[in-house]
Amino acid sequence: GIQVEQSPPDLILQEGANSTLRCNFSDSVNNLQWFHQNPWGQLINLFYIPSGTKQNGRLSATTVATERYSLLYISSSQTTDSGVYFCAVARNSGNTPLVFGKGTRLSVIA
Amino acid sequence: GAGVSQSPRYKVAKRGQDVALRCDPISGHVSLFWYQQALGQGPEFLTYFQNEAQLDKSGLPSDRFFAERPEGSVSTLKIQRTQQEDSAVYLCASSSPRGANVLTFGAGSRLTVL
Repeated sequence: GIQVEQSPPDLILQEGANSTLRCNFSDSVNNLQWFHQNPWGQLINLFYIPSGTKQNGRLSATTVATERYSLLYISSSQTTDSGVYFCAVARNSGNTPLVFGKGTRLSVIA
Repeated sequence: GAGVSQSPRYKVAKRGQDVALRCDPISGHVSLFWYQQALGQGPEFLTYFQNEAQLDKSGLPSDRFFAERPEGSVSTLKIQRTQQEDSAVYLCASSSPRGANVLTFGAGSRLTVL
């Protein structure tokens, strides 16, 4: 099956700093999503981004499908950004189960 | 409902007990997924329903795990004769029938087997 690798595994930032999280995947995909899991365990969908670039406030994401990676950018980080960020992929854009990476644990300190 | 609702949020079971975890998806979402998340890991796929049909159960770890969605809305994940290795958070997600498979997750059910 598809392998998903995320880096770095852990990241500590000072409030206000910027960061880039990376997701590499082993096969062609037509579905890629980024999620944030808050400290209470709730998974929130951030982006559906099988290709191209999207922005939502301080967050943006870019997927280069031909090179099998995606990047999540967090600018001007806030303590509420803390949690685990997961990348998840699937070969098909339809209802094919997503395969998750192990996540990047982000801690933003004041 | 407005979101995916899961119950119970926390369940403690003695080894060997049977447990049932409930998921109430977003109204109108035909696709429903169950994932298992061990501590410090990413969610791992268990099974998938489209309406009442279970289309993929390849992720169920053993025949002690059983899922159903008899009327195409609420789903139940049942674990028989629980073992300590079943301790995990069980996440349910649903997705809209239109467009891509963009998942909305519930808050999860944390199962601890003693």
